[in-house]
Amino acid sequence: NAGVTQTPKFQVLKTGQSMTLQCAQDMNHNSMYWYRQDPGMGLRLIYYSASEGTTDKGEVPNGYNVSRLNKREFSLRLESAAPSQTSVYFCASSATGHYNQPQHFGDGTRLSIL
Amino acid sequence: DQQVKQNSPSLSVQEGRISILNCDYTNSMFDYFLWYKKYPAEGPTFLISISSIKDKNEDGRFTVFLNKSAKHLSLHIVPSQPGDSAVYFCAALRGLNAGNMLTFGGGTRLMVKP
Repeated sequence: NAGVTQTPKFQVLKTGQSMTLQCAQDMNHNSMYWYRQDPGMGLRLIYYSASEGTTDKGEVPNGYNVSRLNKREFSLRLESAAPSQTSVYFCASSATGHYNQPQHFGDGTRLSIL
Repeated sequence: DQQVKQNSPSLSVQEGRISILNCDYTNSMFDYFLWYKKYPAEGPTFLISISSIKDKNEDGRFTVFLNKSAKHLSLHIVPSQPGDSAVYFCAALRGLNAGNMLTFGGGTRLMVKP
């Protein structure tokens, strides 16, 4: 019963390198989300996908792109990594975008950019 | 400017006593609130929620109280157990069909001492 799986768990990049974070869910959920967590800031929404084939910007989308590859998979891409993007990244999914469908989170990807 | 604030970064309580975690918000358009619990190296997990039309919601040892006039909510844990030691995030949702776009507070680390 995997739930939401994120790969990799850890990654170190140099400034300017590109990277794709992978996320897959096995709960047949329609909606998927990418967050970043920084100390004292809680989680901030980067992008979300309400359903397969749609993506929308969240609170902090600059410097990121996303792809909803299919219903299961939602990837986050950093085209040119910057030190300000050092963070812990969480992927989440929910059955629908309705308020009473709590989001289920993966265990995160810890990304350091030197 | 953070719309959801958890002003206490940490809280320490004795096992068996009550834990009270507080959360304040500034946006009067928020109408659904959730609490998530996070252990180290894991993703957040949903704990309890409350709609703005209620002032209390209870689930076992966990109770959430909402004071709309003060724009304040609190999570009570009674009795506290060592396994409750974790970071607790308050989150808010604006509009019941807002695509489940959550705004998180910065978190409070709860330590329950045996």
